[in-house]
Amino acid sequence: QVQLVQSGSELEKPGASVKVSCKASGYSFTTYAINWVRQAPGQGLEWMGWLNTNTGNPTYAQGFTGRFLFSLDTSVSTAYLQINSLKAEDTAVYYCARVYKHQVTTNSYYYYMDVWGKGTTVTVSS
Amino acid sequence: QSVLTQPPSVSGAPGQRVTISCTGSSANIGAGYDVHWYQHLPGTAPKLLIYGNNNRPSGVPDRFSASKSGTSASLAITGLQAEDEADYYCQSYDSSLSLGAWLFGGGTKLAVL
Repeated sequence: QVQLVQSGSELEKPGASVKVSCKASGYSFTTYAINWVRQAPGQGLEWMGWLNTNTGNPTYAQGFTGRFLFSLDTSVSTAYLQINSLKAEDTAVYYCARVYKHQVTTNSYYYYMDVWGKGTTVTVSS
Repeated sequence: QSVLTQPPSVSGAPGQRVTISCTGSSANIGAGYDVHWYQHLPGTAPKLLIYGNNNRPSGVPDRFSASKSGTSASLAITGLQAEDEADYYCQSYDSSLSLGAWLFGGGTKLAVL
């Protein structure tokens, strides 16, 4: 069964750091990239960037550079999101999602998120 | 404000048909990028509903369908059921250098009356 299991809720103070994990099972971890998606309270889904699980190379969306770090440990099929210098506005639910590459024709593909973690709530409060 | 514009809310009675629009621009949907749709019940993981503009993953009822034309896409739900009450998001990609590659619409809350 293909699934992504995320770590539990976190409560942190402003200025601290947090590391969210996303453990994959049921498939070859390095075959599919991982997207990170944020949902702030009362807001919609927001793409944070993606992690190439084959090379470890991260790509960050605008607004998620500097304090946000994607990493991975292939030995345990786990991707990580670290947020440094936490701010109150980082309070949100963070999701990881598998990026599925669906071949349409010889040279074209669909890329979409077919499996999602259940989300990790990060609360930043003094 | 999202680059992909969705109505904040739609509603319908059980059994009725509703549509949710997703309006983009020549930098995203209009550039030929594919559109995917996700269903999200609060407190749960979002679920892939439609991929590649109009394809349903295995297990998604054929009550759900979608289309894309020009700079817009739409999701249609027929035979509304109470369990369809959720938030729905379109997702595409953007070629503008000032934006991230993946885009979500702002989301539409579906109420089943």
